[in-house]
Amino acid sequence: KAGVTQTPRYLIKTRGQQVTLSCSPISGHRSVSWYQQTPGQGLQFLFEYFSETQRNKGNFPGRFSGRQFSNSRSEMNVSTLELGDSALYLCASRSSGRIGTDTQYFGPGTRLTVL
Amino acid sequence: QQQVKQSPQSLIVQKGGISIINCAYENTAFDYFPWYQQFPGKGPALLIAIRPDVSEKKEGRFTISFNKSAKQFSLHIMDSQPGDSATYFCAARSPRQETSGSRLTFGEGTQLTVNP
Repeated sequence: KAGVTQTPRYLIKTRGQQVTLSCSPISGHRSVSWYQQTPGQGLQFLFEYFSETQRNKGNFPGRFSGRQFSNSRSEMNVSTLELGDSALYLCASRSSGRIGTDTQYFGPGTRLTVL
Repeated sequence: QQQVKQSPQSLIVQKGGISIINCAYENTAFDYFPWYQQFPGKGPALLIAIRPDVSEKKEGRFTISFNKSAKQFSLHIMDSQPGDSATYFCAARSPRQETSGSRLTFGEGTQLTVNP
């Protein structure tokens, strides 16, 4: 089975721009979560999607948004980029939305640099 | 209440030695505690995980010790190898609700270096 794939792997943007990151979960996985990883803040939860619905959201401003499509692929959007948004954005997929099952598989991440 | 504290920040061990990484949490509602291993340029990969009703779990050279009363858990890597050199993250899962999903709260990470 192919793992979680994320595109693009690297991205350079300037302040004020917006960016869209894409994540394809493992085949059959319906839950997708997004995390931001920075040296200062570590790994922080952004949001989780299951069956095209956002089920959980972290403490990030409204500039960070996401969506999930019917094939479980997910996109994350950041508008009005700030220098502090420079980070590795990780997508993780999980096999089931049911309580009691939980192994999150992470993709390689998208390295976003904001200049 | 949602924090997970991890120590040490960095650790250097000789080949064949034991690596020990500790984590402490505050939220007694956490119901699942995984450890992730991350190599440079890669996403975190699940290493081993434990539920709070178990005090110890061992998989190969990796062991989690869990102390529910102290709200602490630790990762022990026996016979550490240079290939174990990576960043290790502990995490804790918020109890999952049917409609609100769940999230992982991560520790700050430990950079492990195993010298040959």
